[in-house]
Amino acid sequence: EVQLVESGGGLVQPGGSLRLSCAASGFIFSSYSMNWVRQAPGKGLEWVSFVSSSGAIIYYADSVKGRFTISRDNVKDSLYLQMNSLRAEDTAVYYCARGTLASAFDIWGQGTMVTVSS
Amino acid sequence: DIVMTQSPDSLAVSLGERATINCKSSQSVLYSSNNKNYLAWYQQKPGQPPKLLIYWASTRESGVPDRFSGSGSGTDFTLTISSLQAEDVAVYYCQQSYDTLYTFGQGTKLKIK
Repeated sequence: EVQLVESGGGLVQPGGSLRLSCAASGFIFSSYSMNWVRQAPGKGLEWVSFVSSSGAIIYYADSVKGRFTISRDNVKDSLYLQMNSLRAEDTAVYYCARGTLASAFDIWGQGTMVTVSS
Repeated sequence: DIVMTQSPDSLAVSLGERATINCKSSQSVLYSSNNKNYLAWYQQKPGQPPKLLIYWASTRESGVPDRFSGSGSGTDFTLTISSLQAEDVAVYYCQQSYDTLYTFGQGTKLKIK
């Protein structure tokens, strides 16, 4: 079964750091680009970051550029998001999502909740 | 950034009737090199992650019922549900991937009338 499972969310103080992980299974992870997408409570979807299949190409939303770092380990079939200098507005469910040739997101994890609060 | 604007924000349709959701991009998402629109539609039900319905503006994802269809090109797009079923109650989002800064529309909440 094709699956993505996120972990690493939790409660963190403003200015703190958190590292999210996304474990992939059921497909050849190294063949696909990957993304992080977040959703604040009761709000819409916001794309956060993209990494190409090899890891050589990376993009970030302006709202997280310079604070978040996306990476992947194609040996461990895992995607990561290092989040630093966290702010209250980063509070959201964070989803990892597989990219397609059409640059759409065809497989999504269940999400992990990140709460930034003192 | 490309801004995606959906209309309406909320929509109530009777079972068996047609539902139409619109999405407008602030600039064209049509790649001239391959004549494809980099526009996707997603369905999100409460407590669930989004589900891909349509990509390249009109290509239905595998397993998606054929009552869902997408149309449009350039800057104006439409998601149509031909005969609304109870299980179609959800929030629907459009998303562009023409630009490297991907963006979503604000979402349209679809309810039963």
